Amino acid sequence: NAGVTQTPKFRVLKTGQSMTLLCAQDMNHEYMYWYRQDPGMGLRLIHYSVGEGTTAKGEVPDGYNVSRLKKQNFLLGLESAAPSQTSVYFCASGEGGELFFGEGSRLTVL
Amino acid sequence: TQLLEQSPQFLSIQEGENLTVYCNSSSVFSSLQWYRQEPGEGPVLLVTVVTGGEVKKLKRLTFQFGDARKDSSLHITAAQPGDTGLYLCAGARGTASKLTFGTGTRLQVTL
Repeated sequence: NAGVTQTPKFRVLKTGQSMTLLCAQDMNHEYMYWYRQDPGMGLRLIHYSVGEGTTAKGEVPDGYNVSRLKKQNFLLGLESAAPSQTSVYFCASGEGGELFFGEGSRLTVL
Repeated sequence: TQLLEQSPQFLSIQEGENLTVYCNSSSVFSSLQWYRQEPGEGPVLLVTVVTGGEVKKLKRLTFQFGDARKDSSLHITAAQPGDTGLYLCAGARGTASKLTFGTGTRLQVTL
């Protein structure tokens, strides 16, 4: 049982480049989330989805876009990467506060 | 604004010692979760508490939810090196479709 899988695990971008992080879950969860984790700031919610075809903004949505075309997949896009987006990104799925997380994607923007 | 504050931020103790980590807020939560995260991995859920005053035990770990559902504590008895990691509290409000995470407590247990 894979749980939550994120790709890629590491990526280095130059300022202004674009990229997409892919999250896949095999637990048939309706809810999926994208968080970023920075030193001393815990996990902050970027965007989330309460079901296929729906998305909503979290605490820090600026500079990111998301899509949930299929129930099992949740994509996070950066249209024009900035150094402030250097972070570790975590995808999660689950409900009622009980979330299952992927292993994270470490993104560096130069 | 950080809704959930954890203390201490860092804790380095020796094997066998006891410790308590605190998670405080001015907001009321419908439930509160504790997660543990190891380097290079995502957080893993340890426990969920939902009732004010609730106490849950998981082997050497004891979790308590405050009576007013605004705070929580995690107590570890006789810490072991395997307890090393980042401990995160997280609170859910309303429909619980979004979690707010605390700032985290990094614990190191040495031999």
